Amino acid sequence: GESVGLHLPTLSVQEGDNSIINCAYSNSASDYFIWYKQESGKGPQFIIDIRSNMDKRQGQRVTVLLNKTVKHLSLQIAATQPGDSAVYFCAEKAAGNKLTFGGGTRVLVKP
Amino acid sequence: DSGVTQTPKHLITATGQRVTLRCSPRSGDLSVYWYQQSLDQGLQFLIQYYNGEERAKGNILERFSAQQFPDLHSELNLSSLELGDSALYFCASSVGGSLNIQYFGAGTRLSVL
Repeated sequence: GESVGLHLPTLSVQEGDNSIINCAYSNSASDYFIWYKQESGKGPQFIIDIRSNMDKRQGQRVTVLLNKTVKHLSLQIAATQPGDSAVYFCAEKAAGNKLTFGGGTRVLVKP
Repeated sequence: DSGVTQTPKHLITATGQRVTLRCSPRSGDLSVYWYQQSLDQGLQFLIQYYNGEERAKGNILERFSAQQFPDLHSELNLSSLELGDSALYFCASSVGGSLNIQYFGAGTRLSVL
């Protein structure tokens, strides 16, 4: 598979524990945020999104929190599983249609 | 499977050459986006087309161009290739032009030797 970002920050988590992945975004005018998961050799896969008029959104085993005051986004994964091992990217959208991606965080799930 | 199809999966070529990458969006999606992913740059937005028209432009080099055809498939043309153009190129599609979830294809891995 492909190696995405050899020097990515890495989060090691025990299987069954909760994971928290953090992302600082840059543009205070961004009004839409998305989390993507990228497994080795695959394209980014949509996980969850949130608009700037919300501060929390929940999906299946995932929760996204948005703190506009400090321009911070987090993704919480409950009961992390081996299949959650991947690189996670946050992305922000300001005016126009361009998504700006963060550098990514590698999550390694230990059995 | 995202529903976005990219061909070819792998492409090996030489410096100075020209290649074309192809993308078929999800059924019903009008927007197509192109991204470049390299080890040192992460995912970089290149260009977006919406229903055949260019909608947004990112850090796309002048040597690169794209178009979207009436059947909504898109092609990314890369010319005068350099070693530094070696990367993964992803296509994504979405229903509309803004504030829509973008669904990504599996990518084309370009190696310029």
